[in-house]
Amino acid sequence: EAGVTQSPTHLIKTRGQQVTLRCSPISGHTSVYWYQQALGLGLQFLLWYDEGEERNRGNFPPRFSGRQFPNYSSELNVNALELEDSALYLCASSPWTSGDQETQYFGPGTRLLVL
Amino acid sequence: KNQVEQSPQSLIILEGKNCTLQCNYTVSPFSNLRWYKQDTGRGPVSLTIMTFSENTKSNGRYTATLDADTKQSSLHITASQLSDSASYICVVSQYYNTDKLIFGTGTRLQVFP
Repeated sequence: EAGVTQSPTHLIKTRGQQVTLRCSPISGHTSVYWYQQALGLGLQFLLWYDEGEERNRGNFPPRFSGRQFPNYSSELNVNALELEDSALYLCASSPWTSGDQETQYFGPGTRLLVL
Repeated sequence: KNQVEQSPQSLIILEGKNCTLQCNYTVSPFSNLRWYKQDTGRGPVSLTIMTFSENTKSNGRYTATLDADTKQSSLHITASQLSDSASYICVVSQYYNTDKLIFGTGTRLQVFP
């Protein structure tokens, strides 16, 4: 069974630019989560999508946005990039909407560097 | 403020030795606590999940404990192997907000031969 996949693996952008990161969940999983892991910091929850809807959002500005497609894949968009957006962006999926007991399966991440 | 703190920040041990990693949390109301292993450059992989009523849970050489009264958890690694070198992350979720996981900053474990 294929795991969570993310693309691209690495990305270099300059300040002010926009970036789109992509995630494909494990087949059968309807929930997709996005996390930011800045160097030396813990993972910070960004967004949760389920059945095409944004269900929950972390403490990030509106320039962080995303969407989930009918096939449950997801995009994370970051506008007006800032230097502190440099981080590893991780996508995770889980098989159902209530994540209480469900494990989130993580992808390998996209490493974004903003110059 | 909901926080998860882990100690030590980093740890070096010799292959074959045991070690224990600590996690203290202030998340309330508590739903469950998870331990993840994250290899360098990779996404985290789940090791254990424990709810309020569970005191201990094992996954091979990994044993997690939970004291919900003192809001403390530990992850014990037995007979360490070189492949155990990774970051170990403690993650807590709130009741009614179980998808907004709160992550600790992790303990970086290095196992040397």
